[in-house]
Amino acid sequence: GDSVTQMEGPVTLSEEAFLTINCTYTATGYPSLFWYVQYPGEGLQLLLKATKADDKGSNKGFEATYRKETTSFHLEKGSVQVSDSAVYFCALRYYGQNFVFGPGTRLSVLP
Amino acid sequence: SQTIHQWPATLVQPVGSPLSLECTVEGTSNPNLYWYRQAAGRGLQLLFYSVGIGQISSEVPQNLSASRPQDRQFILSSKKLLLSDSGFYLCAWSSIGASGGWNEQFFGPGTRLTVL
Repeated sequence: GDSVTQMEGPVTLSEEAFLTINCTYTATGYPSLFWYVQYPGEGLQLLLKATKADDKGSNKGFEATYRKETTSFHLEKGSVQVSDSAVYFCALRYYGQNFVFGPGTRLSVLP
Repeated sequence: SQTIHQWPATLVQPVGSPLSLECTVEGTSNPNLYWYRQAAGRGLQLLFYSVGIGQISSEVPQNLSASRPQDRQFILSSKKLLLSDSGFYLCAWSSIGASGGWNEQFFGPGTRLTVL
């Protein structure tokens, strides 16, 4: 079945460091891809999305590119802040189907 | 704009007691509605989803049930809670896109349930 794999956390970085959180997926077709962020004690918020190959989603300094050839959707940010500390979920969704979420990656940014 | 509410925010219940969690959505009509559970430090588990009033699909067999008595109201219930029911319960909604597919999901603030 369809699945999403994320790099294991926790990821600990210093403020202003470069961030990469890897996400790869297994799917039989071409789903839409998403990144959600969950701050402590809160629900999930949509961070960015891409609906077709080579699309780049971006928001709040975060970027991810839909790579069909490597079935990946890695999340990147050039300079993280303490306020970026959260759990990040990669997810996929087919047209008319439910979401499939990855296990989440916890990011801690130290001042 | 659309808003999703969940209550209560936190709940502590003894084993064997009943449960009722409520979720309501404002600012949209005929949304798809979802209940997820998130165990401590874990990912999301889809429990139920609904595409309309009275239409409930269960993803995981367990002692929980869901109901949708109104278009924008989704309720999660249990007759007798188990210790394993502890977790963070999230409600979400999505709309139908222009092309007929489902758009991204928007999540509520969650209910933290502790069963003792």
